[in-house]
Amino acid sequence: KAGVTQTPRYLIKTRGQQVTLSCSPISGHRSVSWYQQTPGQGLQFLFEYFSETQRNKGNFPGRFSGRQFSNSRSEMNVSTLELGDSALYLCASSVGFGDSGSYEQYFGPGTRLTVT
Amino acid sequence: GDSVTQMEGPVTLSEEAFLTINCTYTATGYPSLFWYVQYPGEGLQLLLKATKADDKGSNKGFEATYRKETTSFHLEKGSVQVSDSAVYFCALSDLFYQKVTFGIGTKLQVIP
Repeated sequence: KAGVTQTPRYLIKTRGQQVTLSCSPISGHRSVSWYQQTPGQGLQFLFEYFSETQRNKGNFPGRFSGRQFSNSRSEMNVSTLELGDSALYLCASSVGFGDSGSYEQYFGPGTRLTVT
Repeated sequence: GDSVTQMEGPVTLSEEAFLTINCTYTATGYPSLFWYVQYPGEGLQLLLKATKADDKGSNKGFEATYRKETTSFHLEKGSVQVSDSAVYFCALSDLFYQKVTFGIGTKLQVIP
């Protein structure tokens, strides 16, 4: 089974621009979560989508948005980029919560975004 | 809300030393608990998990036991190798809130 894929792997943008990152989950997984990872703040939850609906959201400004398509692929968008948005953006997929409550996430390799 | 507390690193050990990384949690209900590992330049990988009290998760020589009475899930390995150098994240999933909460991560460096 193919793993979680993220594109692009590396990205350099200028302050004020916008960026779109893509995530393709494991086949059959309906939940996609996005995280921002930085050396100073660690792993921070952005949002989670399940069956095209945003189910949970972290504490990030409205410049960060996302969506999920009917095939479970997800995109996240960051508008009006700031220097502090430089980070590794990780996507994780899961089958979604079942009766057991276990919620194993499978991560992609991440997209390294550098804002100059 | 839920929270996961783990020791801040970095932790530096010599090869073949015993490893313990502490993890405690606060959660509503009965969460599942996980340890993830992140090698340099990669995403996180699930290392082991436990879904109920007293369960022991194990993988690649690593072990962790779900202790409900102390709300802990400490990661242990009897003899670390240089290849174990990575960042380790403790996490919980909460059926009530249907979300996953991660700790800050502990960097482990194993020197020959």
